[in-house]
Amino acid sequence: DQQVKQNSPSLSVQEGRISILNCDYTNSMFDYFLWYKKYPAEGPTFLISISSIKDKNEDGRFTVFLNKSAKHLSLHIVPSQPGDSAVYFCAASAGAGGTSYGKLTFGQGTILTVHP
Amino acid sequence: GAVVSQHPSWVICKSGTSVKIECRSLDFQATTMFWYRQFPKQSLMLMATSNEGSKATYEQGVEKDKFLINHASLTLSTLTVTSAHPEDSSFYICSAAGGGGKLFFGSGTQLSVL
Repeated sequence: DQQVKQNSPSLSVQEGRISILNCDYTNSMFDYFLWYKKYPAEGPTFLISISSIKDKNEDGRFTVFLNKSAKHLSLHIVPSQPGDSAVYFCAASAGAGGTSYGKLTFGQGTILTVHP
Repeated sequence: GAVVSQHPSWVICKSGTSVKIECRSLDFQATTMFWYRQFPKQSLMLMATSNEGSKATYEQGVEKDKFLINHASLTLSTLTVTSAHPEDSSFYICSAAGGGGKLFFGSGTQLSVL
């Protein structure tokens, strides 16, 4: 049972344009959501997160939107740069705080390619 | 930033042998580390939570006698896959909880069991 789904295995975007990565979840107990970026031969690195009490969080070129009623979140990257090319994972946690923070449920990942 | 070192990065072993994977937090102490695995075209799945000085807690469906976890110090957790079989071939990755609850991941270990 895939509780966190990234239905697009890959996304290709032109440099300077907006990249939108989508993620859906089914577990209504999830209350904290994170995006990770992963380069080949490296571990995932934290990118941005959002608590369920918010519907938007912005950090530089990265913005995460959360639609709780639709159980959907998205990551917007604007403007996209070739260095953003990586695999992006969304992840969710129930009962954020303390060590429960580490019990993440991940999506399958989306490969983003930004063309110069 | 915080660094988590994991090795080996890849290992090939014969069926029936045991393989140990190490996960170290290099510049911070981690009382809690997590072990995930990822099968092809699937998502990272949490296997177990490793707690320094106490027994690990395993997720449902993960055999604790097959995947031995030892967290003997604040900077080192090890995962031993005992009597490995081809179906254990997977990508194993650890993470450590740093300050503020942030997770830092190792680079992963690709295990292939022949």
